[in-house]
Amino acid sequence: DVKVTQSSRYLVKRTGEKVFLECVQDMDHENMFWYRQDPGLGLRLIYFSYDVKMKEKGDIPEGYSVSREKKERFSLILESASTNQTSMYLCATSQAGANVLTFGAGSRLTVL
Amino acid sequence: EDQVTQSPEALRLQEGESSSLNCSYTVSGLRGLFWYRQDPGKGPEFLFTLYSAGEEKEKERLKATLTKKESFLHITAPKPEDSATYLCAVPPGGATNKLIFGTGTLLAVQP
Repeated sequence: DVKVTQSSRYLVKRTGEKVFLECVQDMDHENMFWYRQDPGLGLRLIYFSYDVKMKEKGDIPEGYSVSREKKERFSLILESASTNQTSMYLCATSQAGANVLTFGAGSRLTVL
Repeated sequence: EDQVTQSPEALRLQEGESSSLNCSYTVSGLRGLFWYRQDPGKGPEFLFTLYSAGEEKEKERLKATLTKKESFLHITAPKPEDSATYLCAVPPGGATNKLIFGTGTLLAVQP
């Protein structure tokens, strides 16, 4: 089974702090994604990557950046956290050319 | 604009009471419609992919169907363990390697 591991299940941060969310997969999937999930808004794509060191903006990239230095690891960075970034963050992976996503368990971030 | 709309937002059923969830979509050139199940506190889990109108897929008490404008997830004789949020998603027109999701239907099955 493909395993997608998100390093932190729950985080509480202060406004202005830098936040790192890490995602690691143990299969050889080329594509990795970061979504955020909010009540009434569903899942919205922040950034995705289809190869090492490659990244593309999703629908809501403002306030976020990403890093993919190794194939198995995709990090989401909040340079200066704000309260409106309080959300559930979900990492997902898929094979190249495929749209079946495998998700991690999620990281619930609260920004105070 | 590519869009996915799910209804109802929430559905409460008695155990054994069959029903259907709806996912309507607007996208140019459908390249698959995906159903996921999400349990509380967990990430979504893949259920089905449908590619063409008339196609059907089944898994236990769930059956997904597809028309040119919408998909239905039929739940036959549901059990409490079927309680979850059900999400549908499509690849946006002209894009590859990503999905846009509906807001989901929260299903509660009471014993």
